[in-house]
Amino acid sequence: EAQVTQNPRYLITVTGKKLTVTCSQNMNHEYMSWYRQDPGLGLRQIYYSMNVEVTDKGDVPEGYKVSRKEKRNFPLILESPSPNQTSLYFCASSWGRRGQADTQYFGPGTRLTVL
Amino acid sequence: LAKTTQPISMDSYEGQEVNITCSHNNIATNDYITWYQQFPSQGPRFIIQGYKTKVTNEVASLFIPADRKSSTLSLPRVSLSDTAVYYCLVGGPNWGGGNKLTFGTGTQLKVEL
Repeated sequence: EAQVTQNPRYLITVTGKKLTVTCSQNMNHEYMSWYRQDPGLGLRQIYYSMNVEVTDKGDVPEGYKVSRKEKRNFPLILESPSPNQTSLYFCASSWGRRGQADTQYFGPGTRLTVL
Repeated sequence: LAKTTQPISMDSYEGQEVNITCSHNNIATNDYITWYQQFPSQGPRFIIQGYKTKVTNEVASLFIPADRKSSTLSLPRVSLSDTAVYYCLVGGPNWGGGNKLTFGTGTQLKVEL
């Protein structure tokens, strides 16, 4: 089954404790992205990656890191989480092909609480 | 990416047709219009995409006037399960792959009995 998976689905942590949220897709997509969703603010893009070893900032990259060492994986790293990073996080992937409009496939989400 | 404007919320009843309009006055020549649906605590799901005139699939129809400055998502005979947030996005070829993607706050559709 074609899908985007995220782990963990739920995470409660404390301020300053480094954490990683994993994202994996099995569709051989080139493009992957991370979003956070907060009440009243909709979905905001954090980082995206057009291919292996190619990443770029979205609208709200501060406090986050990403890496793309393999095509299928795109982990989101919070080196020193703070309470304002409490949010619902989504990973997404797509073909990212030039010359045609693209559609995103989203993971199930990770609900993060930073105390 | 072109900025989009949608109603914050809409209410409907089961069996009715629902039309959600999105304004995108500064849409570019090569921009497509895409709609996503999101249920609580789930990731958005692609519904439909179009460039001009009308597009129909098994879920919805998308109407785009000649000037393309707006678009209307039409959901025929809605049911309770169509209660969700609907997002309108506008962008050009490879915009999903090569550029930042802005969803906005979407339209909360509530369907009642």
